Amino acid sequence: EAQVTQNPRYLITVTGKKLTVTCSQNMNHEYMSWYRQDPGLGLRQIYYSMNVEVTDKGDVPEGYKVSRKEKRNFPLILESPSPNQTSLYFCASTLSGNNEQFFGPGTRLTVL
Amino acid sequence: QKEVEQNSGPLSVPEGAIASLNCTYSDRVSQSFFWYRQYSGKSPELIMSIYSNGDKEDGRFTAQLNKASQYVSLLIRDSQPSDSATYLCAVKSTGRRALTFGSGTRLQVQP
Repeated sequence: EAQVTQNPRYLITVTGKKLTVTCSQNMNHEYMSWYRQDPGLGLRQIYYSMNVEVTDKGDVPEGYKVSRKEKRNFPLILESPSPNQTSLYFCASTLSGNNEQFFGPGTRLTVL
Repeated sequence: QKEVEQNSGPLSVPEGAIASLNCTYSDRVSQSFFWYRQYSGKSPELIMSIYSNGDKEDGRFTAQLNKASQYVSLLIRDSQPSDSATYLCAVKSTGRRALTFGSGTRLQVQP
């Protein structure tokens, strides 16, 4: 089954404790993205990757890091999480820039 | 001005009616347009994509694009309670590497 998976689905953590949210897709897509979704603000892109070792900042990259060492995986790293990073996070992949994006199930993060 | 604007709603329609959802965008060089449906707590799923002016129909859904007026709309015919969700408009512009999403319109279909 073609899918995007994320782990963990739910995470409660404390300020400053480094965390990683994993994302994996099995569709051989080149493009992958991370979004955060906040009430009233919609989906905002954090980081974007066009292929292995090629990443670029989205609209809200501050406080986040990513890496793309393999085509299928695109982890999101929060080196020092803060309460304003409490949000619902989605990973997405697409075959090319103009095509449909497939979203993962989401990760609800709470930073205390 | 937001790049992609939608009325947040809620838009309430009776079962069986036509629901009309609208979206305006600011970047004139936008080239690809998408409507996603998102149920509460779930991930967005693609409903329709449209790339050229005019109408595109798929089952009960019709997407309408007017690039001159910079708006895209989604019509849902014979609305069902299961259509109750938030509908996200997304736009891809030349030179941008990602979709820009509106904040969504919440649709409520009353039985």
